[in-house]
Amino acid sequence: GAVVSQHPSRVICKSGTSVKIECRSLDFQATTMFWYRQFPKQSLMLMATSNEGSKATYEQGVEKDKFLINHASLTLSTLTVTSAHPEDSSFYICSARLQETQCFGPGTRLLVL
Amino acid sequence: QKEVEQNSGPLSVPEGAIASLNCTYSDRGSQSFFWYRQYSGKSPELIMFIYSNGDKEDGRFTAQLNKASQYVSLLIRDSQPSDSATYLCAVRDSGGGADGLTFGKGTHLIIQP
Repeated sequence: GAVVSQHPSRVICKSGTSVKIECRSLDFQATTMFWYRQFPKQSLMLMATSNEGSKATYEQGVEKDKFLINHASLTLSTLTVTSAHPEDSSFYICSARLQETQCFGPGTRLLVL
Repeated sequence: QKEVEQNSGPLSVPEGAIASLNCTYSDRGSQSFFWYRQYSGKSPELIMFIYSNGDKEDGRFTAQLNKASQYVSLLIRDSQPSDSATYLCAVRDSGGGADGLTFGKGTHLIIQP
């Protein structure tokens, strides 16, 4: 079946640094990928929609200059959290469009100290 | 603002019984409806999706959709301890897959052996 990977699975960084998270569709091409964030005991919140070869579309309240998204190929999208702060600590999950549904990656747990 | 409402639970069901999970959504224009299962610390796994009013069955799972009442439900027959998880209801504006999902906060289901 379709598989989406994320790297790294966990990352701990100091406040003020930038962190890059990769999302790859392993056995299919994804023209559209999505980035979600989930805080403890909360639901997944869509951050942005990433389309291959074009600029990402950000949801209301998500700072595009802080969360940089690049979707340079049909199998890779990256999310860079710039100048991370403790309030950015969360579970970041990507998904890739697979026909009418989405295939989710395993998630990246970010802890900003 | 689109909203998806679920009872957070926990919902406790004896093994072998039917578990019934409910979800309401605010946007009458929603076209696609999904049920995901999420184990603690993991990313969501798709259980099933439904587009049309009525019932859709897949193994032990049945999704029910009533667009007039803006209501989606998931029935799990012959519940097993391995079904214990958080069940997320999600909706999408479009039927084609290009849009991200709006998730509810999830219902925590416990299947008691």
